[in-house]
Amino acid sequence: RKEVEQDPGPFNVPEGATVAFNCTYSNSASQSFFWYRQDCRKEPKLLMSVYSSGNEDGRFTAQLNRASQYISLLIRDSKLSDSATYLCVVNSAGNKLTFGGGTRVLVKP
Amino acid sequence: DAGVIQSPRHEVTEMGQEVTLRCKPISGHDYLFWYRQTMMRGLELLIYFNNNVPIDDSGMPEDRFSAKMPNASFSTLKIQPSEPRDSAVYFCASSSRQGRGWEQFFGPGTRLTVL
Repeated sequence: RKEVEQDPGPFNVPEGATVAFNCTYSNSASQSFFWYRQDCRKEPKLLMSVYSSGNEDGRFTAQLNRASQYISLLIRDSKLSDSATYLCVVNSAGNKLTFGGGTRVLVKP
Repeated sequence: DAGVIQSPRHEVTEMGQEVTLRCKPISGHDYLFWYRQTMMRGLELLIYFNNNVPIDDSGMPEDRFSAKMPNASFSTLKIQPSEPRDSAVYFCASSSRQGRGWEQFFGPGTRLTVL
């Protein structure tokens, strides 16, 4: 079993719609959680950290469920520019991050 | 501010040749990471350094791979001899404990093709 698992998608989303997807992690000792965004043929970039109480950053909402060991990302009012691969990232110890395989999102007009 | 710099951006080589990838981290960052990304395996951590010292190299696939960080502003990842299965995008990333949590800043990557 992979340490961080994601639905690869793609999620085809009409512009303006809401899309949500999860990732699961296997290490219950994981301490920090993040969503990174990766555009086609580009490097990953931090989108947002995920806090225990849930957090929002504009149109993006992240949730953490420690009991079930999953993290979610919700995108409201999707824009064409939101089309990308979203990487779920878990920090288990120190500064070492483990990346999921990514969920591809395609926003269409 | 300059981000993480990697060179070359693209490398095409023949099986058996030596390949050297280079990375300059963001100034002031004390952690440096080398990752490999393929369609099949996703983004994998190969090795990381703290203050120029290798901390965890458990992701290095085999002895053909080696990495060095002779100073705070330069690191290399070497593959010798290279094989077709080494074809991937290799990313270097750096971070600092002073930054936003453990945010890692990635370079643009080196796209390696081994024929």
